[in-house]
Amino acid sequence: SAVISQKPSRDICQRGTSLTIQCQVDSQVTMMFWYRQQPGQSLTLIATANQGSEATYESGFVIDKFPISRPNLTFSTLTVSNMSPEDSSIYLCSVRADTGELFFGEGSRLTVL
Amino acid sequence: TQLLEQSPQFLSIQEGENLTVYCNSSSVFSSLQWYRQEPGEGPVLLVTVVTGGEVKKLKRLTFQFGDARKDSSLHITAAQPGDTGLYLCAGAWYSGGGADGLTFGKGTHLIIQP
Repeated sequence: SAVISQKPSRDICQRGTSLTIQCQVDSQVTMMFWYRQQPGQSLTLIATANQGSEATYESGFVIDKFPISRPNLTFSTLTVSNMSPEDSSIYLCSVRADTGELFFGEGSRLTVL
Repeated sequence: TQLLEQSPQFLSIQEGENLTVYCNSSSVFSSLQWYRQEPGEGPVLLVTVVTGGEVKKLKRLTFQFGDARKDSSLHITAAQPGDTGLYLCAGAWYSGGGADGLTFGKGTHLIIQP
């Protein structure tokens, strides 16, 4: 199993500002992902964080809005840029084990006023 | 794009009752996972099913994978308030799906009232 720590766990931000969420894993993992979970909704994959190269974004998500860093195999950041109230969500970091199981962080609950 | 339908979306029942949650696709899954998410937490894997007709039990939870591997169900016997949460199914296909290899259902919000 993998233990994933995310911070901040929650934040309240002003419209137009940016927030960076950190994800730390207790072991080296190849596959790391960022998800968004809007209020009362399921999980939507934002991007795959690739170590040493640019992240791979899913349809509907762009690097300018959600820049991602992955400097090594245990750490990644997701920035939510130029925030609007529509960005209010839970943002989740996850890693995939060799078994195919996904392990998730506790999530970062973002409220944009 | 592969589609995965989960039902019901919301379910509120009394403690001690039984319930079943369904997950369906028009395509054959290579595998299917069930996750449970409590408020303020990330999803936690409950089970992975791979073989058609497979049945797995986790205490009062019974997971079944359809013979044709296009559907799965989660049955909870004698539900307890601690079972309250969001139940998510996530399917993997031999082709398609997200980069994480999975497509998540919309989830079932389950409330067990004492």
